[in-house]
Amino acid sequence: EVQLVQSGAEVKKPGESLKISCKGSGYSFSNYWIGWVRQMPGKGLEWMGIIYPGDSDTRYSPSFRGQVTISADKSITTAYVQWSSLEASDTAIYYCARLTYSGTNPTNFDYWGQGTLLTVSS
Amino acid sequence: QSALTQPASVSGSPGQSITISCTGTSSDIGRYNFVSWYQQHPGKAPKLMIYEVSKRPSGVSNRFSGSKSGNTASLTISGLQAEDEADYYCCSYEGSISYVFGTGTEVTVL
Repeated sequence: EVQLVQSGAEVKKPGESLKISCKGSGYSFSNYWIGWVRQMPGKGLEWMGIIYPGDSDTRYSPSFRGQVTISADKSITTAYVQWSSLEASDTAIYYCARLTYSGTNPTNFDYWGQGTLLTVSS
Repeated sequence: QSALTQPASVSGSPGQSITISCTGTSSDIGRYNFVSWYQQHPGKAPKLMIYEVSKRPSGVSNRFSGSKSGNTASLTISGLQAEDEADYYCCSYEGSISYVFGTGTEVTVL
């Protein structure tokens, strides 16, 4: 069974750093892109970026480039997103999701993590 | 990379059909047949309902269907049921392993 299990909720202060995780199981982790999606309180889904754990090829949404760093450790089948200096506006739920393929074409996000709630407040 | 445009809300009575539109550009929806739709109930993670414009994953009711014309994709829910009340998001491939979501639509069953 494919599963993406994310790390637990976090409460941080502005200026602090943070790394949240997404552990994949039940499939060949190295061979599927993992994307990250932000959902701010009461708002919609925003695509942040994506990583291919096999070679760490990473792509970012222009809105998030330079704001976060996406990484992965294929040896422990885990993807990450990290912040070096949090702001109150980073308060949101963050989801990871697996990108699946039709042949060689990337098509959709078929499995999602349960979400990690991040609260940034002084 | 602007969000795809969806109506903020759509409502219908049980048994009726509703359609949610998702408007993009010739760089995303208009160029690729990689439009997907996600259902999100409050406090839950999104769930894939439609992929590649009109395909249904195993286990998704055939009351859900998708289509595309030009730069606009659509999700139709027929035989509306109380359990369909949720937020719905479209998503399109933009090329170079890059994606964009829609603004989201709240579906209310009257």
